[in-house]
Amino acid sequence: AQSVTQLDSQVPVFEEAPVELRCNYSSSVSVYLFWYVQYPNQGLQLLLKYLSGSTLVKGINGFEAEFNKSQTSFHLRKPSVHISDTAEYFCAVINSGYALNFGKGTSLLVTP
Amino acid sequence: SQTIHQWPATLVQPVGSPLSLECTVEGTSNPNLYWYRQAAGRGLQLLFYSVGIGQISSEVPQNLSASRPQDRQFILSSKKLLLSDSGFYLCAWLQGNEQYFGPGTRLTVT
Repeated sequence: AQSVTQLDSQVPVFEEAPVELRCNYSSSVSVYLFWYVQYPNQGLQLLLKYLSGSTLVKGINGFEAEFNKSQTSFHLRKPSVHISDTAEYFCAVINSGYALNFGKGTSLLVTP
Repeated sequence: SQTIHQWPATLVQPVGSPLSLECTVEGTSNPNLYWYRQAAGRGLQLLFYSVGIGQISSEVPQNLSASRPQDRQFILSSKKLLLSDSGFYLCAWLQGNEQYFGPGTRLTVT
C-alpha cells in the first residue's frame, strides 16, 4: 500500500508569514495525492488534490501544493497565513477501493 | 446536493458496552462509503470501506464491525467496547476520486 509521511507534527507561524507543510509519499508509481484540513471537532475538508497534469495545484483558501516526482514530495504552501488557518492539516494518498491513507497530521498554529 | 450525516455527535459509553454508530448519505446512489478513526496521537486510520450493499472490507483487525444494510447507510458496531476504542469516528463517501467527510462522532469509553 502507498503511504505518506508528514515531516512536521507542529508548525508555529506568525500571522501574514508564509508557511510550508511538508509531505513525502512512498511510491514512485502513479499516485493520487490530497491535502485535507480539519478545524477543531469537525470533519475533514478537502483543500486540494493532485491526480495528474500540472505539478502546481491550487486549492481553496489560498493554499497551493507542488507535486515533485524526483523528491517524492507534495508540500503544501501558503504565502501569507491568517489566524483562521489554525487547524490540523493532513496529507493523504489513495489506495485500493479509493480508500485514503493519511499522514499523522501537522498542527498549524498561527499567532498574531 | 449530496449530504452526509452521522449520529450521534458525541457518545460516552462504559467499557464492555455495545456500540452502534450510523452514517447516512443523501443525494447519491450506491456510493463507496468509509469509516475512519482518529485517536489521540495516532492520526487518521481507515477501519472499513464498502463498495455496495453487504460488501465490507476490513482494514484493521479489532473488535469493531461494519455493516451496510441499505445503499446509503453504513453502520459501525461493537459488541464490547474497549478503552482503546475512544476516538473521533468519521464517515466519508466517494464522489469521483474525492472523499467527502461527515461531521464525525466523538466516542469516549470510560
